[in-house]
Amino acid sequence: DTGVSQNPRHKITKRGQNVTFRCDPISEHNRLYWYRQTLGQGPEFLTYFQNEAQLEKSRLLSDRFSAERPKGSFSTLEIQRTEQGDSAMYLCASSLNIDGDRGGVGQFFGPGTRLTVL
Amino acid sequence: AQSVTQLDSQVPVFEEAPVELRCNYSSSVSVYLFWYVQYPNQGLQLLLKYLSGSTLVKGINGFEAEFNKSQTSFHLRKPSVHISDTAEYFCAVTPGYIPTFGRGTSLIVHP
Repeated sequence: DTGVSQNPRHKITKRGQNVTFRCDPISEHNRLYWYRQTLGQGPEFLTYFQNEAQLEKSRLLSDRFSAERPKGSFSTLEIQRTEQGDSAMYLCASSLNIDGDRGGVGQFFGPGTRLTVL
Repeated sequence: AQSVTQLDSQVPVFEEAPVELRCNYSSSVSVYLFWYVQYPNQGLQLLLKYLSGSTLVKGINGFEAEFNKSQTSFHLRKPSVHISDTAEYFCAVTPGYIPTFGRGTSLIVHP
């Protein structure tokens, strides 16, 4: 168990460019979450997957954001036409959920990808 | 919808002193409650969780929390803190699979 890993750890880009982040969850975990965290705030939910299916997206999530989890393993989060307001820490988390647990399982977080849009 | 309020943005305390980090929540349905800790340059780590049963929950690193349904609170406590407890602490609630996090409380332990 090597934990949740995220790459890159830091990304600096110019406004208007596209960026893609990768998350590798704990191998047996079936749920994968993406969050955004800005300074002085807690993590804000963006989207989550159960295996390869994207089950929910935040209403706050712009159409410029897209996430995939092919084959139910790693996941990517892409931001198109980045804006300065996208600057934040992007966190990935995973968990092993079974039927009926109703979300009572805690999540394991990666170290995050810090995005700076100039 | 649910919400979480962490009443203190910063809590300074001296080493070996007790500490309480406050968390209040609101929800129209029953929820699960969590505390996470985030050390500098690291991801969040689960400290403890309340699902049901005993309202006093013990977690890692000597932390405990008490669920109070009537006051809709889930305060985190430690009887004697260490320098290494300096970190950001987040309270989270969820009625299902999507947690809502508080803004965090920065615990600063002074020698």
